[in-house]
Amino acid sequence: EIVLTQSPATLSLSPGERATLSCRASQSVTSYLAWYQQRPGQAPRLLIYDVSNRATGIPARFSGSGSGTDFTLTISSLEPEDFAVYYCQHRSNWPLTFGGGTKVEIK
Amino acid sequence: EVKLLESGGGLVQPGGSLRLSCAASEFTLSNYAMSWVRQAPGKGLEWVSAISGRGVSTFYADSVKGRFTISRDNSKNSLYLQMTSLRAEDTAVYYCAKSVYGSPWAFHIWGQGTTVTVSS
Repeated sequence: EIVLTQSPATLSLSPGERATLSCRASQSVTSYLAWYQQRPGQAPRLLIYDVSNRATGIPARFSGSGSGTDFTLTISSLEPEDFAVYYCQHRSNWPLTFGGGTKVEIK
Repeated sequence: EVKLLESGGGLVQPGGSLRLSCAASEFTLSNYAMSWVRQAPGKGLEWVSAISGRGVSTFYADSVKGRFTISRDNSKNSLYLQMTSLRAEDTAVYYCAKSVYGSPWAFHIWGQGTTVTVSS
């Protein structure tokens, strides 16, 4: 099973700041890495799939990068609605797994 | 609007069974790989089970293998999760999720979730 480790667990930032979230895989997932946002009481929302492809309707301030085992989600300038929990997920092999999440909170 | 609507959750005793349903709207479910993902209270996301677009292949997390069965009824445009031998640790919100077209197992559309509580 591929273990995805997200860091930091919590990121305290102010609106307008840049957020950089990390996801490290225990073995290569090639380019099969996705990012989701989950706000309280809501279902997850796909932001990025296959490392860097933005899902439909996702603003350009969200971007993804990386390959192999190290991946990054960047939010270029935080909007109030971006304060949420973010998860990475691989689809490289079975079982699919998610990272433990990074909470982006208002500083 | 493309939507998924789960139903069938509830309170069940340990060792009991439950069948979750997921109805698809505005798209043909059989054309897509589908999955169930759960989230225990206050915890992160856990993938549970998946079924290929044609329903030929099914996949399960070790934690549910042998107890849960995923299936689909294309005539009803619906996905199901039959859960048996339920345990307290199966308590969670269960989401069904639709894959991105051309990128199976990246989940683009999610339902609102249905809550399963396993308790005596």
